[in-house]
Amino acid sequence: GQQVMQIPQYQHVQEGEDFTTYCNSSTTLSNIQWYKQRPGGHPVFLIQLVKSGEVKKQKRLTFQFGEAKKNSSLHITATQTTDVGTYFCAVYSGAGSYQLTFGKGTKLSVIP
Amino acid sequence: DSGVTQTPKHLITATGQRVTLRCSPRSGDLSVYWYQQSLDQGLQFLIQYYNGEERAKGNILERFSAQQFPDLHSELNLSSLELGDSALYFCASSAGLASYQETQYFGPGTRLLVL
Repeated sequence: GQQVMQIPQYQHVQEGEDFTTYCNSSTTLSNIQWYKQRPGGHPVFLIQLVKSGEVKKQKRLTFQFGEAKKNSSLHITATQTTDVGTYFCAVYSGAGSYQLTFGKGTKLSVIP
Repeated sequence: DSGVTQTPKHLITATGQRVTLRCSPRSGDLSVYWYQQSLDQGLQFLIQYYNGEERAKGNILERFSAQQFPDLHSELNLSSLELGDSALYFCASSAGLASYQETQYFGPGTRLLVL
C-alpha cells in the first residue's frame, strides 16, 4: 500500500519561531490530508489537498502540495503554545482505496 | 467534540482475555474505521465498515474482529490478548459517500492496557 515518510520526527521551537513538517512519497498521490493530535487527544482533520501545486492557508498554517504530487508540507508561522501536538499527514492508498495511511507524525513542542 | 463516541475510555485486562470496544459514528455517517495507535507503530489502520459491510482491511490480526450493526454502531473485538496489544484504539467515521477522499472524524479513543 501507499507509504509516506514524514520528517522531522520531533521539533522543539521557541514560541514565535516558525515550524515546518514535510511528508514525502515515492509514488504520485491522489490527495493528501493533514491531521493534528493534541497531547492526550485524538486526531483532528485540518485540511485536504488534491491539486498539483495547491496551497491552502488557515490563519498561521500554510499547506502545500508538490507539483509532482509526491510531497507536501505544513508550515506554521510564529508558533504559539496552542500549536503543541503531533501533526500527521495521511494518504489514501490510491484511487478507489478506502485505507487511509498515516505518516509517523511530527511532534511539535513549543517552549514559551 | 467530533460527534463520534467510544466506550469505554479506559480498559485494563489480563493476557489471554477478550474485550469489546464500542463506537458510535457521527449522525448520518455510514462508514466506520478502526485504528490502533501505539508508540512504536504510530497510527495503524485496522478495518473499515460501510453500512454494515466490511469494505477495507488493514493490518488487523486474526485475533481481532469487528462488525457494524444495523444502527451503524460498531464493535471491535480483541481476543487472546497479549501485552503488545496495549495501545490506544480509535474509531473514526465518515459519510461514506465519496469513498477515498473523505474526511474522517475521530472519536476520543479507548486506552487498552493488557497486564
